[in-house]
Amino acid sequence: EPEVTQTPSHQVTQMGQEVILRCVPISNHLYFYWYRQILGQKVEFLVSFYNNEISEKSEIFDDQFSVERPDGSNFTLKIRSTKLEDSAMYFCASSEGWHTEAFFGQGTRLTVV
Amino acid sequence: EDKVVQSPLSLVVHEGDTVTLNCSYEVTNFRSLLWYKQEKKAPTFLFMLTSSGIEKKSGRLSSILDKKELFSILNITATQTGDSAVYLCAVEPTIQGAQKLVFGQGTRLTINP
Repeated sequence: EPEVTQTPSHQVTQMGQEVILRCVPISNHLYFYWYRQILGQKVEFLVSFYNNEISEKSEIFDDQFSVERPDGSNFTLKIRSTKLEDSAMYFCASSEGWHTEAFFGQGTRLTVV
Repeated sequence: EDKVVQSPLSLVVHEGDTVTLNCSYEVTNFRSLLWYKQEKKAPTFLFMLTSSGIEKKSGRLSSILDKKELFSILNITATQTGDSAVYLCAVEPTIQGAQKLVFGQGTRLTINP
């Protein structure tokens, strides 16, 4: 069964460092998303992406965040200068259509120390 | 502000019992409501509901939406230990434009043998 894959599964980084989280969406999906879940809190929307550009972003997705589809398969989330409060599980998701069900990856646990 | 509230937050039952999980929402626009099961990391898709009163069913799981009273329930009959998970309810609060799910805090379901 096709699935969204994310790497790495866990990343530890020092405050102020840049991190890139990687995702391979399901191959025939055209719409991509990043969500995050701080430990013990709700899953929160970060950004949606279609046709090589951001469609919508939340207030959380400020200038330190960026997304990119560098080739035909990968979708990345870059956090430029990490802060302690960026520690969370980051989920990539993809969907076939704009308003069809989104399928989530296993997540990358980011720990900023 | 769009809001999704799930109840109960936690539920412990014995194998074989039937459980009902609740999700209520307040959103400015409504397109769909989704249920996900989160066992360890990735939320896995269960149901997408868009119309009131039409039950969706998959094996022992079923769900229904009431757009007038702004809630949905997820029923699990003849529960098994493998049903133990956090069940997430999410609402898509957009008619047009990009999908961005608003999640509830989840119900942690524990099935004891």
